[in-house]
Amino acid sequence: ELKVEQNPLFLSMQEGKNYTIYCNYSTTSDRLYWYRQDPGKSLESLFVLLSNGAVKQEGRLMASLDTKARLSTLHITAAVHDLSATYFCAVGMDSNYQLIWGAGTKLIIKP
Amino acid sequence: ETGVTQTPRHLVMGMTNKKSLKCEQHLGHNAMYWYKQSAKKPLELMFVYSLEERVENNSVPSRFSPECPNSSHLFLHLHTLQPEDSALYLCASSQDPPPNRDTQYFGPGTRLTVL
Repeated sequence: ELKVEQNPLFLSMQEGKNYTIYCNYSTTSDRLYWYRQDPGKSLESLFVLLSNGAVKQEGRLMASLDTKARLSTLHITAAVHDLSATYFCAVGMDSNYQLIWGAGTKLIIKP
Repeated sequence: ETGVTQTPRHLVMGMTNKKSLKCEQHLGHNAMYWYKQSAKKPLELMFVYSLEERVENNSVPSRFSPECPNSSHLFLHLHTLQPEDSALYLCASSQDPPPNRDTQYFGPGTRLTVL
């Protein structure tokens, strides 16, 4: 059974700082997604990572995938208040219709 | 309208009521999904439709009944729900049905409260 663990589940940080959210999963996977959810809003796709060593960047966010370690990271550089949200990773397998979701990391960035 | 829309956005119902949630996607996608998002729990997949055919039913109680009349519309019919069914119900769509590597695009959700 595929399990996905995110940590931390809650993160409060100051503007201008750097931090990393981790997403570990328990079995082999061929795709990993990062989503963002603002309070009361829906999920917005951020990144799709499809191969070992994949790295994608958008603004102050950078995501990477290490399929051998079964680990993805979402790195935040010089955080700004607008990045406050809950971030989810989701992992899929070829043999399964499902995406298995992490519990989410609630990120609060203080001015 | 663009993207994925859901109505109603908020719904309060008693345990004996019957109601329906509606989802419409304007993206020309071939797959649609229902998810349940409860507080403090990971997102749970409920149903998957591919080209209007149900391909996955994730052991969801029969008090939830999906309907997909065409590739753009998806309904979730609700009857005799329990208070623990209170949650945010999210609809999503993707270009191709799973298993695939397509990104899923989500609607804004329906916040359901069962009294």
